[in-house]
Amino acid sequence: KAGVTQTPRYLIKTRGQQVTLSCSPISGHRSVSWYQQTPGQGLQFLFEYFSETQRNKGNFPGRFSGRQFSNSRSEMNVSTLELGDSALYLCASSLDLVFAGYTFGSGTRLTVV
Amino acid sequence: AQRVTQPEKLLSVFKGAPVELKCNYSYSGSPELFWYVQYSRQRLQLLLRHISRESIKGFTADLNKGETSFHLKKPFAQEEDSAMYYCAYYNQGGKLIFGQGTELSVKP
Repeated sequence: KAGVTQTPRYLIKTRGQQVTLSCSPISGHRSVSWYQQTPGQGLQFLFEYFSETQRNKGNFPGRFSGRQFSNSRSEMNVSTLELGDSALYLCASSLDLVFAGYTFGSGTRLTVV
Repeated sequence: AQRVTQPEKLLSVFKGAPVELKCNYSYSGSPELFWYVQYSRQRLQLLLRHISRESIKGFTADLNKGETSFHLKKPFAQEEDSAMYYCAYYNQGGKLIFGQGTELSVKP
């Protein structure tokens, strides 16, 4: 069974640009969440989606947004990129019948120059 | 605020020595706690859930509500245990709150 797939694996963008990251959860998983991982701040929760609805949001500016499609695939978008947005962005999915822990993807490494 | 604290950034032990990675949480009620592990160049993966009371790869973790702790233990460390370990607390609504992580280094 395929795991959580994130595309692309690596991205280099310029300050001020916008970027869209994609996540395909494990088949049958309906909850998808996003995390930002940096050496200084560690793993920070961005948002979580379930059945196309955002259920929870972390403390990130409005430049960070996301959505989930009817097939549970999810995208996150960052507009007006800043140097501090450089990070590993992780997507995770779960069944969410009874939360048993997330399965994480390998992440997208975003570098803003 | 809900918080997960892992006081040690780095823990270095010799092979065969006991290991304890500390985790404390600040939350009242019935927490759902997890340990995740990230081996070099691999994705973050679930190691243990407190609710299942299981032992994975020789690791165990006991929830101590009185001390609000969920320390991860292994009696005899192996070199392949070297990795980053994250303690996490599950907040209803799909949010995992992670500690800062502890890097475990097991020396031969």
